[in-house]
Amino acid sequence: TQLLEQSPQFLSIQEGENLTVYCNSSSVFSSLQWYRQEPGEGPVLLVTVVTGGEVKKLKRLTFQFGDARKDSSLHITAAQPGDTGLYLCGGEGSNDYKLSFGAGTTVTVRA
Amino acid sequence: EAQVTQNPRYLITVTGKKLTVTCSQNMNHEYMSWYRQDPGLGLRQIYYSMNVEVTDKGDVPEGYKVSRKEKRNFPLILESPSPNQTSLYFCASSSRILHGYTFGSGTRLTVV
Repeated sequence: TQLLEQSPQFLSIQEGENLTVYCNSSSVFSSLQWYRQEPGEGPVLLVTVVTGGEVKKLKRLTFQFGDARKDSSLHITAAQPGDTGLYLCGGEGSNDYKLSFGAGTTVTVRA
Repeated sequence: EAQVTQNPRYLITVTGKKLTVTCSQNMNHEYMSWYRQDPGLGLRQIYYSMNVEVTDKGDVPEGYKVSRKEKRNFPLILESPSPNQTSLYFCASSSRILHGYTFGSGTRLTVV
């Protein structure tokens, strides 16, 4: 089992502020995936990062994969109430393609 | 529309009464997986399948069974449900080439 630790567990910010969520592990992953989940729904894939050091941008969201492929971060610029949700990182094993998740970060953006 | 369909969405059952949660995907994905989600514990993998007739245990397989007789279907079977299996269950599928899973809408199971 590859243990993924997400921090912080909860984050409450004002609209317009920036935030960063971290996902760390001692294991190396073939890919690191970020999902957002809203109440009553399944997680929805935001992005997949595959190459160490890779940076991907999705509008106001920036995702980074660590050089050693063990950690990742999600940065949101100028957060909006629509960014509210549970953010999950998932690491795909290098040998077995199993996808293990961190416990998630609950983000609340206040208007 | 590309999707993963789970049924039922909600289920209340009694201890020991066998049940099956169905999962079907229409994207011709090789990988399928079952997760349970509990407060504070995140998503934990129950079983996964890399292709037809190929299944393997995830992190919390006790009390569950799966089968993959066809590529599109991956049912989750609880032979003798117990209250500690009360949870929110998700089925997901993925392509071998493209990383990233498509999740179903979830099944909320209560065992009394």
